[in-house]
Amino acid sequence: QVQLQQSGAELVKPGSSVKISCKASGYTFTSYDMHWIKQQPGNGLEWIGWIYPGNGNTKYNQKFNGKATLTADKSSSTAYMQLSSLTSEDSAVYFCARFGYGLDAWGQGASVTVSS
Amino acid sequence: IQMTQSPSLLSASVGDRVTLSCKAGQNINNYLAWYQQKLGEAPKLLIYNANSLQTGIPSRFSGSGSGTDFTLTISSLQPEDVATYFCQQYNSWYTFGAGTKLELK
Repeated sequence: QVQLQQSGAELVKPGSSVKISCKASGYTFTSYDMHWIKQQPGNGLEWIGWIYPGNGNTKYNQKFNGKATLTADKSSSTAYMQLSSLTSEDSAVYFCARFGYGLDAWGQGASVTVSS
Repeated sequence: IQMTQSPSLLSASVGDRVTLSCKAGQNINNYLAWYQQKLGEAPKLLIYNANSLQTGIPSRFSGSGSGTDFTLTISSLQPEDVATYFCQQYNSWYTFGAGTKLELK
């Protein structure tokens, strides 16, 4: 079955960077867009961007240009999102999700807490 | 494209027919999905392309609508349906509604 396994919770300092991973299994990794979504406590869902692992093409929500960088490693079927210049506004749970018809498989979420 | 969900909070009883609304700021050509998110979990896809039921989702869930106005219906509310429900358009980029929190009365 399709599974997306994300890396664990991160506690990071303001101004630093963090890289979250999302390991895919149960399907052909290079054939589906991988999306990333942000959710702050008590808030809704905010789309960050997607990467197509087949060729590395990416698209970003303009709001996250310069904040998020999406990459993918075909050899390990793993997608990554790096967040840079972190502030308290970046504290959130971040999900990866496969786009088939809609976002049909989700990772369990990775919590990022930005605090000194 | 802005997505507006209503109501933001809905209280209903077990067995009730429940209707959730989602309105798009412009025509989204039925490129609309509905997700269910239970507390502490990732969202789960219920409906795609406005009215197609995702594999494994109970048939009490259904989606309808076209253009800018869409509805998620639960034909007979069950206790396990307590959750927040989000709509998402994928016609032009990707945007989510703010969600409807469904609770038991």
